[in-house]
Amino acid sequence: DAGVIQSPRHEVTEMGQEVTLRCKPISGHNSLFWYRQTMMRGLELLIYFNNNVPIDDSGMPEDRFSAKMPNASFSTLKIQPSEPRDSAVYFCASSYPGTGDTEAFFGQGTRLTVV
Amino acid sequence: DAKTTQPPSMDCAEGRAANLPCNHSTISGNEYVYWYRQIHSQGPQYIIHGLKNNETNEMASLIITEDRKSSTLILPHATLRDTAVYYCIVRVVGDYKLSFGAGTTVTVRA
Repeated sequence: DAGVIQSPRHEVTEMGQEVTLRCKPISGHNSLFWYRQTMMRGLELLIYFNNNVPIDDSGMPEDRFSAKMPNASFSTLKIQPSEPRDSAVYFCASSYPGTGDTEAFFGQGTRLTVV
Repeated sequence: DAKTTQPPSMDCAEGRAANLPCNHSTISGNEYVYWYRQIHSQGPQYIIHGLKNNETNEMASLIITEDRKSSTLILPHATLRDTAVYYCIVRVVGDYKLSFGAGTTVTVRA
């Protein structure tokens, strides 16, 4: 398996524009996570899906952020409208079925710059 | 409310063992100790986890004290490619959440 695949790897956009980040989890994994990493706040969990259903979105910063998982092999994180403070590296991770003591596999991340 | 405490940075020599400490004095009986690392410009990578027994895999060994209030991650023969930020995380059994702190920046020097 190629691992968790994120696209694009880098995104530069202007303030106010819509940004969509994409993630393909590892086949067979039923849990998917979106994280954001900044120098100031480190790695933060934004949202957690289990079996394509959002279970915990308490980390989503505000209504400008939305995430979907239309099927087991694809998820998106959308920011509309984007702001400079959204600049960060966004990671997607997936884990396989089982109890909570399983490892999460992270993608390479999308580096977002909002100017 | 940090559940773990790690030194901010440490150096080690290539080929030597690297011993990374972590304090988790408030750990509960139903919480695992996890270790992840993040190499520059990459996503975090799972290393190892344990509940109360010592664990070893192809990457590292995890030594948990008997009272479970601290642990040590051991990289037996550090290489330059082990330079990374290492995160010690306490996670409730059955919980999905991984709460990353600041971690320890480990620099392996030739």
